[in-house]
Amino acid sequence: DAKTTQPTSMDCAEGRAANLPCNHSTISGNEYVYWYRQIHSQGPQYIIHGLKNNETNEMASLIITEDRKSSTLILPHATLRDTAVYYCIVTAVAGGTSYGKLTFGQGTILTVHP
Amino acid sequence: DADVTQTPRNRITKTGKRIMLECSQTKGHDRMYWYRQDPGLGLRLIYYSFDVKDINKGEISDGYSVSRQAQAKFSLSLESAIPNQTALYFCATSDRDRDYGYTFGSGTRLTVV
Repeated sequence: DAKTTQPTSMDCAEGRAANLPCNHSTISGNEYVYWYRQIHSQGPQYIIHGLKNNETNEMASLIITEDRKSSTLILPHATLRDTAVYYCIVTAVAGGTSYGKLTFGQGTILTVHP
Repeated sequence: DADVTQTPRNRITKTGKRIMLECSQTKGHDRMYWYRQDPGLGLRLIYYSFDVKDINKGEISDGYSVSRQAQAKFSLSLESAIPNQTALYFCATSDRDRDYGYTFGSGTRLTVV
């Protein structure tokens, strides 16, 4: 699986958009970008994933650059409850399902302040 | 009830003891995983199982064993616990046919003294 690089930490004001970047310059054609978050020692929570098109769900939006070498997770209106560690993971997928071995790096500590 | 349930939530055990961590799920997922997390670090994969008869080692399987008793149950055993196995352990599930990501349990905090 491709290696990812994320900033160690970021801050965001409550109510503003949080934009979390991720670099994955060695991504392969069959690798998807996944985002998870972990709120203080709880189990990680799936947020969103995508291949090359931008994706949006009820939690967030995922913007993937045209060359697929980087992506940005957008939380449109951050709240205090969004304070967490955010993990960007790249993993191979075949037939619509992942090979099932997610590799978690250090992630980005997002702190949302009032 | 939680989709993925881990028991116990917390456990303190002595060096050399055998301990089993249990995971059960109601998601109907075929794939299950065990991860450990150490303070300030990401999660590392211990074992994973794509179905009842398919069990595979992850990146840090030494000192651990697993049992997939049924599609819904996946247990992790420490045959002879040692202090550096003190960590937060997570079980997770995923579905082969619908790639909506992993579902994680709430974790088991294990302390080996």
